[in-house]
Amino acid sequence: DAGVTQSPTHLIKTRGQQVTLRCSPKSGHDTVSWYQQALGQGPQFIFQYYEEEERQRGNFPDRFSGHQFPNYSSELNVNALLLGDSALYLCASTHLRDGGELFFGEGSRLTVL
Amino acid sequence: GENVEQHPSTLSVQEGDSAVIKCTYSDSASNYFPWYKQELGKRPQLIIDIRSNVGEKKDQRIAVTLNKTAKHFSLHITETQPEDSAVYFCAAPDTVRYNFNKFYFGSGTKLNVKP
Repeated sequence: DAGVTQSPTHLIKTRGQQVTLRCSPKSGHDTVSWYQQALGQGPQFIFQYYEEEERQRGNFPDRFSGHQFPNYSSELNVNALLLGDSALYLCASTHLRDGGELFFGEGSRLTVL
Repeated sequence: GENVEQHPSTLSVQEGDSAVIKCTYSDSASNYFPWYKQELGKRPQLIIDIRSNVGEKKDQRIAVTLNKTAKHFSLHITETQPEDSAVYFCAAPDTVRYNFNKFYFGSGTKLNVKP
């Protein structure tokens, strides 16, 4: 049973560029959440997708957007990249009816130069 | 929203000693408290959790205690081993919509177990 998979694992962009990160949830999961983890910090909630809609959003600007596909996979898009967007982006999946454990992917390490 | 504070930020212990990490939270409606372990370059993984209807939960060398009155919960690791070295995060869920996908995480504790 494959867990949560993310791609790419590492990427380097320059300020002003755009990036797309991808996530496939654990088998049987229908809900995907994205978290940003800056170096030395805990993960911060960006948003959650369920039934192909954004259901809840954290304190992130509109430059951060996402999408969920019918197969439950998800994308995170960040436009007009800033240096401060450099972080590890973690995808977590659950089944909406389950309460509790988040299953994280290995993350996508974004460096903005 | 919830405010989760975690202490200490770093903790160094000798192999075989115990380690304790403490978190406080602000929202008295919070009812579920997980602990995640993140090894260097790896994903965070749940190691233990507790719901607000119990005060303590144990799993082998790991235990979590919850004090709802004081709004704090702690992770206890006994007989520490070098493989326990990692960053540990506490978390509490969003209670506005009881969304178990939106969690507020502490800032992490880097545990170093010296052989």
